[in-house]
Amino acid sequence: DVKVTQSSRYLVKRTGEKVFLECVQDMDHENMFWYRQDPGLGLRLIYFSYDVKMKEKGDIPEGYSVSREKKERFSLILESASTNQTSMYLCASTSPGLGNSPLHFGNGTRLTVT
Amino acid sequence: AQTVTQSQPEMSVQEAETVTLSCTYDTSESDYYLFWYKQPPSRQMILVIRQEAYKQQNATENRFSVNFQKAAKSFSLKISDSQLGDAAMYFCAYRPFHGSSNTGKLIFGQGTTLQVKP
Repeated sequence: DVKVTQSSRYLVKRTGEKVFLECVQDMDHENMFWYRQDPGLGLRLIYFSYDVKMKEKGDIPEGYSVSREKKERFSLILESASTNQTSMYLCASTSPGLGNSPLHFGNGTRLTVT
Repeated sequence: AQTVTQSQPEMSVQEAETVTLSCTYDTSESDYYLFWYKQPPSRQMILVIRQEAYKQQNATENRFSVNFQKAAKSFSLKISDSQLGDAAMYFCAYRPFHGSSNTGKLIFGQGTTLQVKP
C-alpha cells in the first residue's frame, strides 16, 4: 500500500513564524501535491511538483512556497504565518500517465496560527 | 476554468437505507476522469470510486455506485445498505484528460457530510 506521511498531525504557531510542513511518500511517485481544506470550500490546490526541484503554482499559492529536493519528500513552507492560514493541510502523491490513477493522501496537518 | 459543485453540505440516512450524494461539474472538455473520495473522522482520504468519461457504463464498487450523466455534467454517488462506517465527508473530484492528466491534480467540490443514523 502507498504510504504518505505528514510529519505533524497538529501544529500551533505564532503569527509571523516561518512554518515547515513535511510530507514523505514511499511509492516512488513523481507527482506530489499540497492542498488546503477549509469548511465549505473543499480542497484547494496550493502547489504541486512533478519532479525533483520542479514545482508549479496551484490555485492559492500566495503566502506559500514549496521545496522538493528529493523525490520522496515535498515540503510546504509558510514564509510568515498569518491567522488566515489556519487550516487543514493535506499532502498527496500519484504517478503520472494513467488518468484514472488516484491521489494517495496523508492524514493531514491541522495548523493553527495564533 | 473547471469547477465542481456539491450542493448538499449535509445529508443523513438511516442505517441499511440508500442515499444519493449529488455532484455537478463544469467543463468544456470531452474526456476527463471523475472520482469520489471519503474522509472519515480519522481524516484519511480514501478513494471510493472512479469513472472515465469515455465509458458509458456507470462504475460500481460493492455498495457504492455512480450515476454518470455526461450531457448533464452530473456525477452522483449512491450508497446502498448504508452502514455506520459510511459516516464521513464525501468529496467529488474532477481531472481533465489532457494537460494536467500528467500531473494528476484533482479539482474538488466543497464536500458533503453524511450522517448515518442507527
